[in-house]
Amino acid sequence: GNSVTQMEGPVTLSEEAFLTINCTYTATGYPSLFWYVQYPGEGLQLLLKATKADDKGSNKGFEATYRKETTSFHLEKGSVQVSDSAVYFCALLPMKTSYDKVIFGPGTSLSVIP
Amino acid sequence: DVKVTQSSRYLVKRTGEKVFLECVQDMDHENMFWYRQDPGLGLRLIYFSYDVKMKEKGDIPEGYSVSREKKERFSLILESASTNQTSMYLCASSFGSGGADTQYFGPGTRLTVL
Repeated sequence: GNSVTQMEGPVTLSEEAFLTINCTYTATGYPSLFWYVQYPGEGLQLLLKATKADDKGSNKGFEATYRKETTSFHLEKGSVQVSDSAVYFCALLPMKTSYDKVIFGPGTSLSVIP
Repeated sequence: DVKVTQSSRYLVKRTGEKVFLECVQDMDHENMFWYRQDPGLGLRLIYFSYDVKMKEKGDIPEGYSVSREKKERFSLILESASTNQTSMYLCASSFGSGGADTQYFGPGTRLTVL
């Protein structure tokens, strides 16, 4: 079946450190891949997405590249800020799925300290 | 901006009570979703709807029902609340073009069943 695996958290980094959150997936064909972010006390919001192999999604300094060969979509940011403290969810939308039924990973909590 | 609102941020109910969670979106989206979010489990889909009066079961529909009488409103109903339904409930909506549309989330309702 379809599934998403993320690195376990929580992750604690100092401000301006480099961030990587690993995400791997299991799916048939070519799913669409997403990163959503949940700030404290809020719902999730889309951070970035990629819809085909080798696509790079980017937003707010975050990047992730769709790697079909390694079935991965790792999230990276070169220099994190305190305001990036949140929970990050990797997600996929399987091929030929109607109605945008997205499958979410368990989430990775990030804390950035000054 | 898309806005998804949920009727309550916090709710405390007793075992056996009937509970209604309301969700309203203001962007004429076709699809609406109810998830529950639990630590370490990520988001799990309870029910979704792709049109007025239409509903489909998600991954964990047992103990829940839904209603969509108007396009903008999607209600989650706990017929007889139980303690294992204590959770964060998130509503989401998406446009529904079938092209990996972004899901827009409400702020969540944290439900405690005593």
